[in-house]
Amino acid sequence: TQLLEQSPQFLSIQEGENLTVYCNSSSVFSSLQWYRQEPGEGPVLLVTVVTGGEVKKLKRLTFQFGDARKDSSLHITAAQPGDTGLYLCAGPNTNAGKSTFGDGTTLTVKP
Amino acid sequence: SQTIHQWPATLVQPVGSPLSLECTVEGTSNPNLYWYRQAAGRGLQLLFYSVGIGQISSEVPQNLSASRPQDRQFILSSKKLLLSDSGFYLCAWRIQGAYEQYFGPGTRLTVT
Repeated sequence: TQLLEQSPQFLSIQEGENLTVYCNSSSVFSSLQWYRQEPGEGPVLLVTVVTGGEVKKLKRLTFQFGDARKDSSLHITAAQPGDTGLYLCAGPNTNAGKSTFGDGTTLTVKP
Repeated sequence: SQTIHQWPATLVQPVGSPLSLECTVEGTSNPNLYWYRQAAGRGLQLLFYSVGIGQISSEVPQNLSASRPQDRQFILSSKKLLLSDSGFYLCAWRIQGAYEQYFGPGTRLTVT
């Protein structure tokens, strides 16, 4: 069974601080996706990383895929209250058609 | 562009009553479709997925069922709701062979 573990589970910071959240597995994934979910809404896809060692930037968000394709990180620079939400990582399951999701990191950015 | 709809947005139902949640996707053909349930602020539990009309794979639930009567329509049902069925239900779609899933806005179900 492929599992994804996310840490920390909860993170509360002040506006302007930097942060990193992690998504780890003992299994190799062909890709990993990151989603952000706001309360009462569905998750929204942020990025897909495919190649080991790949780094992708989305404004103040930097995503990295581990060299061995077993882990990923999300770094946010100068966090803003609008970054508040649940961050989920996911990867395709070996069973075609399904994905494995982590339990998420709940981020709160205080003004 | 593709769009996914879910309704209703919120639902309050008594224990023992039936349930029908509907999800439709626009702008794509033959997608994979998924039903998830989410406990407050936590990860997603896959309930059902479908790779084609009439093809349903069940992951967990005992008293829930799913159907796919049309290519872009996915329905979640129950004959008798339990208190434990309360939660946030999300429908999602994926292009077959692609990595990414795209989610609907969700249905908040409260069983009283």
